Amino acid sequence: EVQLVQSGAEVKKPGESLKISCKGSGYTFTNYWIVWFRQMPGKGLEWMGIIYPVDSDTRYNSSFQGQVTISVDKSINTAYLQWSSLKASDTAMYYCAKHHSQAMYYFDLWGQGTLVTVSS
Amino acid sequence: QSALTQPASVSGSPGQSITISCTGTGSDVGAYNYLSWYQQHPGKPPKLMIYGVSSRPSGVSNRFSGSKSGNTASLTISGLQVEDEADYYCSSYTSTNSLHVVFGGGTRLTVL
Repeated sequence: EVQLVQSGAEVKKPGESLKISCKGSGYTFTNYWIVWFRQMPGKGLEWMGIIYPVDSDTRYNSSFQGQVTISVDKSINTAYLQWSSLKASDTAMYYCAKHHSQAMYYFDLWGQGTLVTVSS
Repeated sequence: QSALTQPASVSGSPGQSITISCTGTGSDVGAYNYLSWYQQHPGKPPKLMIYGVSSRPSGVSNRFSGSKSGNTASLTISGLQVEDEADYYCSSYTSTNSLHVVFGGGTRLTVL
């Protein structure tokens, strides 16, 4: 089955670090960029950044540059999103997705989402 | 504030047709045909419904159709069904700064 499986929900305190994961299976992981999205409670989708598993080429939305780090381990078909110091405003659902074969600007396979809650 | 503008809500009765608009600028919707639409049910990840302005992925009902004119794209759902009730987001490639893709704020479709 073609799927992206994300790590489970996290509850953290402000200032703590966190790394969430997104594991692909059922397709050639290295053929497609992986994208991360944020969806804050009751809000819309935001494109955070994108990574190419072959060479770890990474591009960030300037709004997230310096706030998060996107990485990948192609040996285990897994992409990561990490924070070094969480803030309450990082509370959101985070989704990973792969792009459609027609273009890297459409996303046809999504993970189930990882809910990150940051609260003191 | 989202980069693309969508109505907050639309509604329709089963069997009717509705259209959701998505207005951008000459740096995104108006300049490129990398326009897509996503359906999101509560607690679920988004699902790609339309890409390339008007193409449907395999498995998506032909009741969903897309179009574009100038800086405004549209998603039309014909023969509304109860299960179409969801949030719908448009998305476009953008040439603005470092962003690759921008989204609309989403439209809540209610099937009465």
